[in-house]
Amino acid sequence: DQQVKQNSPSLSVQEGRISILNCDYTNSMFDYFLWYKKYPAEGPTFLISISSIKDKNEDGRFTVFLNKSAKHLSLHIVPSQPGDSAVYFCAASEGYDKVIFGPGTSLSVIP
Amino acid sequence: EPEVTQTPSHQVTQMGQEVILRCVPISNHLYFYWYRQILGQKVEFLVSFYNNEISEKSEIFDDQFSVERPDGSNFTLKIRSTKLEDSAMYFCASSESVMSAFFGQGTRLTVV
Repeated sequence: DQQVKQNSPSLSVQEGRISILNCDYTNSMFDYFLWYKKYPAEGPTFLISISSIKDKNEDGRFTVFLNKSAKHLSLHIVPSQPGDSAVYFCAASEGYDKVIFGPGTSLSVIP
Repeated sequence: EPEVTQTPSHQVTQMGQEVILRCVPISNHLYFYWYRQILGQKVEFLVSFYNNEISEKSEIFDDQFSVERPDGSNFTLKIRSTKLEDSAMYFCASSESVMSAFFGQGTRLTVV
């Protein structure tokens, strides 16, 4: 039972363009949503998060949008840079106890 | 910058042996987690730990697994009798709040 879904296993974007990574969830009780970036042989690195009471959060080149009615969130990276190439995990949490990860989307930013 | 550290980086063990994976969380954090990632699969939650006790665990975290915070700084994951399917990257994480858990670099466990 996948509570957090990332339906695109991979995405390629030209440098300088926008990268949009999508995520869907099924549990309406989730109250925090997070995005992590992961390079090979490293642990996930926290990128940005959003509370369920908001619909947008921005941090530099990264913006997360939340559509609660659609149970959908997205991460926008503008402009995309080659160093952004990594696997991006969407994650969701109900309270403090555990964070459920999606399967990840591998982003390639082409110079 | 404070970080979560995990040792060893790679552990090879015989099937049926016990292993202990070690983690030093960030010092002022209160919530501790173990996750694993089997090669090619997604990051899976194992267990969360708060106030010296398990607060949540997944169905993966059966009686073969245990966690401890033996001395107030280390956070360990013990697998009592390893199976081949326990081979994975094991990530420790800690957080002040759920909004930004910090992960260690992981321990690659190989069961042979």
